[in-house]
Amino acid sequence: AQKITQTQPGMFVQEKEAVTLDCTYDTSDPSYGLFWYKQPSSGEMIFLIYQGSYDQQNATEGRYSLNFQKARKSANLVISASQLGDSAMYFCAMRENAGNMLTFGGGTRLMVKP
Amino acid sequence: NAGVTQTPKFQVLKTGQSMTLQCAQDMNHEYMSWYRQDPGMGLRLIHYSVGAGITDQGEVPNGYNVSRSTTEDFPLRLLSAAPSQTSVYFCASSYGASGRAGEQFFGPGTRLTVL
Repeated sequence: AQKITQTQPGMFVQEKEAVTLDCTYDTSDPSYGLFWYKQPSSGEMIFLIYQGSYDQQNATEGRYSLNFQKARKSANLVISASQLGDSAMYFCAMRENAGNMLTFGGGTRLMVKP
Repeated sequence: NAGVTQTPKFQVLKTGQSMTLQCAQDMNHEYMSWYRQDPGMGLRLIHYSVGAGITDQGEVPNGYNVSRSTTEDFPLRLLSAAPSQTSVYFCASSYGASGRAGEQFFGPGTRLTVL
């Protein structure tokens, strides 16, 4: 079974609007971390936001916030006030405490329209 | 700090050739890993290391070897290149294994084509 599922291969959003990118995960480890990375067309991987499984509050980093619903095993990324520079691939990833490295989802390509 | 560096940026190989992708980090991170990214897909773990002298296999280790003789360096060796190994290769490092310390810092990637 997929450990990380991103069901939206591609999305459009109008500039200045908010957008939600979906991520669901599967783990039996009670301790884990969820990460979102951005990959622009230049190819580098840019860390955006982190959510720990025991964190009481949803993570926020500037225009990025994470809608963490533990019981549903979802960790959706919300980008507020989209900018043209937000056009990129976005990857959700999980690191279980029983493991050592990240497991990635297939990604969502976000395109921001002017 | 240079962060995580990778060389070369681009490489073209013929089937059967061998080569080493270099990765170095100057952040004194214990954890290092290699991922590959095929077109339109997420990253998949090849090999990883939790410290000098310790390596282990990830999800897709076949055809690759690694070693970790120092904290800073983690080279990836392709033993006999195959067209299926055409991909973008990312090296990453992290300070720890859990919590925010598990955040992976990525190198710029090596784009490898095997003909």
